[in-house]
This record gives sequence, structure tokens and C-alpha cells, in this order.
Amino acid sequence: SQKIEQNSEALNIQEGKTATLTCNYTNYSPAYLQWYRQDPGRGPVFLLLIRENEKEKRKERLKVTFDTTLKQSLFHITASQPADSATYLCALDGGTGGFKTIFGAGTRLFVKA
Amino acid sequence: DAGVIQSPRHEVTEMGQEVTLRCKPISGHDYLFWYRQTMMRGLELLIYFNNNVPIDDSGMPEDRFSAKMPNASFSTLKIQPSEPRDSAVYFCASSSSQRIGTDEQFFGPGTRLTVL
Repeated sequence: SQKIEQNSEALNIQEGKTATLTCNYTNYSPAYLQWYRQDPGRGPVFLLLIRENEKEKRKERLKVTFDTTLKQSLFHITASQPADSATYLCALDGGTGGFKTIFGAGTRLFVKA
Repeated sequence: DAGVIQSPRHEVTEMGQEVTLRCKPISGHDYLFWYRQTMMRGLELLIYFNNNVPIDDSGMPEDRFSAKMPNASFSTLKIQPSEPRDSAVYFCASSSSQRIGTDEQFFGPGTRLTVL
């Protein structure tokens, strides 16, 4: 069955460092992959989308890579700030014309001042 | 725009009672999604609509769950009868097929349901 794996353990880093989160998937060939941010008590908020034919995408301090051979996406936050502390979810979609998006369980990030 | 609106924000009910969750999508969006989030299972897609028509309800756990979208600005998710294992946060999200280059979904604040 389709499976998405994100680090279940929280990631603790120091302010100013680069945070790197991993999303691995199996039994799936997504057309694109998305990253969302979720704060406690709130709904997820869209951050970035990367398509299967794109290797890397950037947005301000965020960078996403997508390796369809390794079936893995890496999400980087450079110059991290305490305000970046949140749970980050990756989501995959087959892009078959429908919206059957599958979300990972998320990784909690703590950035210490 | 006010974003996706959900009500109620919190619902506490007793086992066996009927629960109705409500959602108002962003105006102009033609896709609406209902998700359920728990610690154990994460964020799960229950059902989604396109232009008010249910497209995929394969994520609906049981016949106790039903969803409707009578018009473009309103949707309900009903659980009848409710059970303690239905306790979760239920999110509604909407999206527009007109947003070229992205399939971004806009999530509401969620309804935290507790079934005693």
C-alpha cells in the first residue's frame, strides 16, 4: 500500500542553523509533492509545491528537493528562526486529474533562540 | 476573503448522538475536501467534492459518516451515531482548479470533536 514516512521524532535545532526535514514514500508515483506547515490548533498552510520533473524549488528561506529515484523529498529552512517552530507535513498527489492527496504524519520542528 | 470557515470549533457530545460539522469554502473555489486528523493516523482524506458533486468518498470510514454539499458555499459532514473513536479534529479545505501551477489547498481552522 502507499506509504509516506516522515521523521516521527521532533527536530531540535539552534536559531540560525539550517533545518532539514525528510519525506520518503513507497508504492507511489506522485506527479507532485507539497509541503505544508501546521501550527498547534490550526489547519495546515501550504508552503511549496514541486513537480516530478523538477529537482529543486526555492522560496525565500525555504528549499525543497525531489528525487523520484530515491523516492524522497528534502525540505530545508535556512537561517532558521524560533517562529519557524511548527509541524511540517509533506503531501503527495498522483496528479491524475483528481485531488487524492495523501499526507504524511508530519515532523515537529523546534528552533531554539 | 475570510478564508475557509468551519463551525463549530469545538464539539463535545455523548456516544450515540448525531454530530453535524459545517464548512463554508472560499468563494470561487470549486473543490472542497473533508479531512480527519488524529495522533495515530495523521491527516486522512475522507471525501472531496468538485462543483458540489462528491468525487471520491473512499476515505469515509463507515456508513455512519455522510457528507453533502447542497451549494457552492456550504458543506456538511454528519456522523450518526457518533462513537468515541470518532474523536478527532476535522478539517475542511478548498481549492481552485483555476490556480495554474499549484494545487494549493486552503484549510479551515478545524472542528475538534470529542465523543464521550
